[in-house]
Amino acid sequence: DAGVTQSPTHLIKTRGQHVTLRCSPISGHKSVSWYQQVLGQGPQFIFQYYEKEERGRGNFPDRFSARQFPNYSSELNVNALLLGDSALYLCASSSGLAGGAPQETQYFGPGTRLLVL
Amino acid sequence: LAKTTQPISMDSYEGQEVNITCSHNNIATNDYITWYQQFPSQGPRFIIQGYKTKVTNEVASLFIPADRKSSTLSLPRVSLSDTAVYYCLVGDDNDMRFGAGTRLTVKP
Repeated sequence: DAGVTQSPTHLIKTRGQHVTLRCSPISGHKSVSWYQQVLGQGPQFIFQYYEKEERGRGNFPDRFSARQFPNYSSELNVNALLLGDSALYLCASSSGLAGGAPQETQYFGPGTRLLVL
Repeated sequence: LAKTTQPISMDSYEGQEVNITCSHNNIATNDYITWYQQFPSQGPRFIIQGYKTKVTNEVASLFIPADRKSSTLSLPRVSLSDTAVYYCLVGDDNDMRFGAGTRLTVKP
């Protein structure tokens, strides 16, 4: 069984541009979460989606948005990129059997490394 | 929201038992405690999860006292490949927070 996959693996953008990151969850998983990890820090929660509905949102500006598709894959969009958006963006999926509750084990993908110049 | 506090770093030697403690004074009644391991340039990997008392699996044990204000991850007989950052995560309904993590270095 394939794990969580993310694309692209690496990305270089310039300030002001926008970016779309993609995530495919483990087959059968209905919940997807997005995290931002700046070098040297722990992952910071951005969004959680369960059954195509936003279930949680972290403390990130409105430049960050996401959606989940009928096949449970997800996109994270970031507009008007800033230098500080340079980070590893992680996607995690969970089964959704507990409604996407925090006690569900999350399985992380390898991440997309974004560099904003 | 339950904030977690862990030691920034720890050193150990191969074959030793390592205990990493996480403080979470404001843990909520419904919160579970989950530990993840992360290697450089990889996503975190689930190690163990518990709610109270003791949980053990094939790789680690998790000790949670009755007041649940802290938890201790125990790694038996560590090897060089256990060198990684270990995160304690306490779940909240709309915000799942990772702390800064503990960087464990295992030496030969």
